[in-house]
Amino acid sequence: EAGVAQSPRYKIIEKRQSVAFWCNPISGHATLYWYQQILGQGPKLLIQFQNNGVVDDSQLPKDRFSAERLKGVDSTLKIQPAKLEDSAVYLCASSDLGVLGQPQHFGDGTRLSIL
Amino acid sequence: ELKVEQNPLFLSMQEGKNYTIYCNYSTTSDRLYWYRQDPGKSLESLFVLLSNGAVKQEGRLMASLDTKARLSTLHITAAVHDLSATYFCAVDSETSGSRLTFGEGTQLTVNP
Repeated sequence: EAGVAQSPRYKIIEKRQSVAFWCNPISGHATLYWYQQILGQGPKLLIQFQNNGVVDDSQLPKDRFSAERLKGVDSTLKIQPAKLEDSAVYLCASSDLGVLGQPQHFGDGTRLSIL
Repeated sequence: ELKVEQNPLFLSMQEGKNYTIYCNYSTTSDRLYWYRQDPGKSLESLFVLLSNGAVKQEGRLMASLDTKARLSTLHITAAVHDLSATYFCAVDSETSGSRLTFGEGTQLTVNP
């Protein structure tokens, strides 16, 4: 079974620039998550999709972050404009909620550095 | 707000020794997850604990859940260098749906 795919693996931009990340979940997984992991901390959920609808975006800084999941499969997360505090690893995860307590499966992440 | 606390945050131990990592959480939940993260890598699911008293073991790692105490433990038996990694516990709750709240992580270093 292919895992969660993310790209790019690394990205370096200057503050106030924009950046986008892409995620392809495990085939058949209806639920997709974007997490932000700052160095030395646990991941923090930014947004959760169920198919192509948003379930939870309460922790997404909507003035600069946006995300979409067209057609309920791939997803993109965008930051515009980026701030220094956005330096982090952005992790995408997916799960099939048909089974209670199934763990989320994580991609390798995109490491973002803001100069 | 659901809070998850792990201790210790840093653990350095010798090969062959035993140790336990603790995970406390603040609200009622019946589902607790343990993940492993190697440097520069993503999170790998280790255990899913779904009920009070649940115990799961894989190799030198054993996880348990006490929902009444809101406590999970990850016990390491006869540690080996390959276990060096950061271990996270995470919890979801009835009010958060499937949103996971993670602890800060325990960075484990096993020395020869």
